[in-house]
Amino acid sequence: KNQVEQSPQSLIILEGKNCTLQCNYTVSPFSNLRWYKQDTGRGPVSLTIMTFSENTKSNGRYTATLDADTKQSSLHITASQLSDSASYICVVTRTSNDYKLSFGAGTTVTVRA
Amino acid sequence: GAGVSQSPRYKVTKRGQDVALRCDPISGHVSLYWYRQALGQGPEFLTYFNYEAQQDKSGLPNDRFSAERPEGSISTLTIQRTEQRDSAMYRCASSPLRDLNYGYTFGSGTRLTVV
Repeated sequence: KNQVEQSPQSLIILEGKNCTLQCNYTVSPFSNLRWYKQDTGRGPVSLTIMTFSENTKSNGRYTATLDADTKQSSLHITASQLSDSASYICVVTRTSNDYKLSFGAGTTVTVRA
Repeated sequence: GAGVSQSPRYKVTKRGQDVALRCDPISGHVSLYWYRQALGQGPEFLTYFNYEAQQDKSGLPNDRFSAERPEGSISTLTIQRTEQRDSAMYRCASSPLRDLNYGYTFGSGTRLTVV
């Protein structure tokens, strides 16, 4: 059973609108959670990284939140652009020496003009 | 190099053939990870190295899969007697230290198609 669940599986939004992606995890003990953007045919690119003590982190129009108590994270995209069309993957690691990355299945975002 | 380099970018092979996929990590990176991603699915961890030592290969699907990193730099993932279900994107990532909090960089991957 995957320890990182993402929702929705896919979504379509109009350019300029906002959207929020969810990531729930059961990985324990928790070390950090990262959101990656993966363009078609490209490798994942890091957007944010948060440790258990961080609640929110922003990277331009991307804002990630983390609730380590409920083991939930969200990625909010503000004023979406066509270039935001991609898969967004949530990756969780356990303790700082843990190497076995736990991946979510990703959310595919399509931004339409 | 500037990034994690993988080769070939694309590989089409006939069922039953062996394939070798190469990963050239960022220079000096201690740790190297292999994972694969089937179309429309999330990544699946395969195996991991610290320097030349393979730390965990429990993610390898079966004994047709093997990986090595003999000099602690370039790594090769080998799939013997390929089957159609092996078709996927195979990616590697590297990190500068064993502690993943220092970050890891993913390669662009090798798209393997077994026909």
